[in-house]
Amino acid sequence: AQSVAQPEDQVNVAEGNPLTVKCTYSVSGNPYLFWYVQYPNRGLQFLLKYITGDNLVKGSYGFEAEFNKSQTSFHLKKPSALVSDSALYFCAVTTSGTYKYIFGTGTRLKVLA
Amino acid sequence: DTAVSQTPKYLVTQMGNDKSIKCEQNLGHDTMYWYKQDSKKFLKIMFSYNNKELIINETVPNRFSPKSPDKAHLNLHINSLELGDSAVYFCASSQSTGVGEKLFFGSGTQLSVL
Repeated sequence: AQSVAQPEDQVNVAEGNPLTVKCTYSVSGNPYLFWYVQYPNRGLQFLLKYITGDNLVKGSYGFEAEFNKSQTSFHLKKPSALVSDSALYFCAVTTSGTYKYIFGTGTRLKVLA
Repeated sequence: DTAVSQTPKYLVTQMGNDKSIKCEQNLGHDTMYWYKQDSKKFLKIMFSYNNKELIINETVPNRFSPKSPDKAHLNLHINSLELGDSAVYFCASSQSTGVGEKLFFGSGTQLSVL
């Protein structure tokens, strides 16, 4: 069965510092991995995805994520955090031939001015 | 032009009532989904339709019945509402290429059962 783990409920980081939001996954077969962001009272918005190819994926708003097959991880990163990055971040996984996207429990990112 | 739109945005109702939530997408996608987000923000798949055919039906009570009249619409009808049904319900859509297409989400329907 597919599963996604986001081990941190909340991540606090100072503005201007680098940020990392962690995600590990478990699937049978090759994973398709995603990050989404949710602002208060809004739906989820797509940030980036890994399908195949280069392990470092670049996405919206300066975010990037690194796929690590041996560690089954897909951590979200940004070199310099902004206060406006404060939101709820979800990692998700699916595999080829299925429409079932499994989401992690979410990590609340708080960027402090 | 909103890509995935849900109505209503807020729904407050009494236990035992029946209610519906509507969803429409104008992206030309052929797959649509209903997700439930509980008070702890956990997001769980409920149903998915591909070309009007039900393809995912998670362990959801029979009181929940989805209906897809065409590829652009996916509605959710809930009978005999219970307190535990209070949550935010998100509609989403994607193209079905089978290679990990991203989901487009609506802004959610906040259901409160009193």
